[in-house]
Amino acid sequence: DIQMTQSPSSLSASVGDRVTITCQASQDITNYLNWYQQKPGRAPKLLISEASNLETGVPSRFSGSGSGTDFTFTISNLQPEDIATYFCQQYHHLFTFGPGTIVDIK
Amino acid sequence: QVQLQESGPGLVKPSETLSLTCTVSGDSISSSYWSWIRQSPGKGLEWIGNFYSIGGTPHNPSLESRVTISVDTSKNQFSLKLRSVTAADTAIYYCVRLSQGRRSLLFDRWGQGTLVIVSS
Repeated sequence: DIQMTQSPSSLSASVGDRVTITCQASQDITNYLNWYQQKPGRAPKLLISEASNLETGVPSRFSGSGSGTDFTFTISNLQPEDIATYFCQQYHHLFTFGPGTIVDIK
Repeated sequence: QVQLQESGPGLVKPSETLSLTCTVSGDSISSSYWSWIRQSPGKGLEWIGNFYSIGGTPHNPSLESRVTISVDTSKNQFSLKLRSVTAADTAIYYCVRLSQGRRSLLFDRWGQGTLVIVSS
């Protein structure tokens, strides 16, 4: 099984800050990685596919990078509406989600 | 616009079978892939299994052989059966469309989710 870890588990930042979340896979998954945003009481929403491809309609302040086992998700200019939990998910072998990172506003 | 809606009992007794149905609108069950995913406080987001329109229903090995996913094309629905449930199966269950790109597999449309509690 491929295990996914994320850090930090939670963070608090100010509006306008740059926020970075890391995701690590237990083995090489090339770039078979997606990122999701989940707001309280809602289903997850796909933001980024194949590690770095921004989905249509997703603001450009969101970005992703990485390959192999190490990946990064960045919000370049944190907005109040970005308060959510963010998950990475691999599809190299079956499907596994990371534990999530809670993003809050200071 | 593609929409998915879960339905089924919100309370299931231990050792019984959890049964949920997902009704899809805006897309054909026969032309896409479909998944069930659950979310619990203790285990986060957990993929349960898929139905592939080209054939095959892979599922999470951690659920052993308790999972059955089936499709009713006449109703544009797909269903989940999870047998021999325990309290550990208490979760929000989502039905999800799994879209395939050239090198990508994306959970790109989600139902709102339905809470299932396992309790006597």
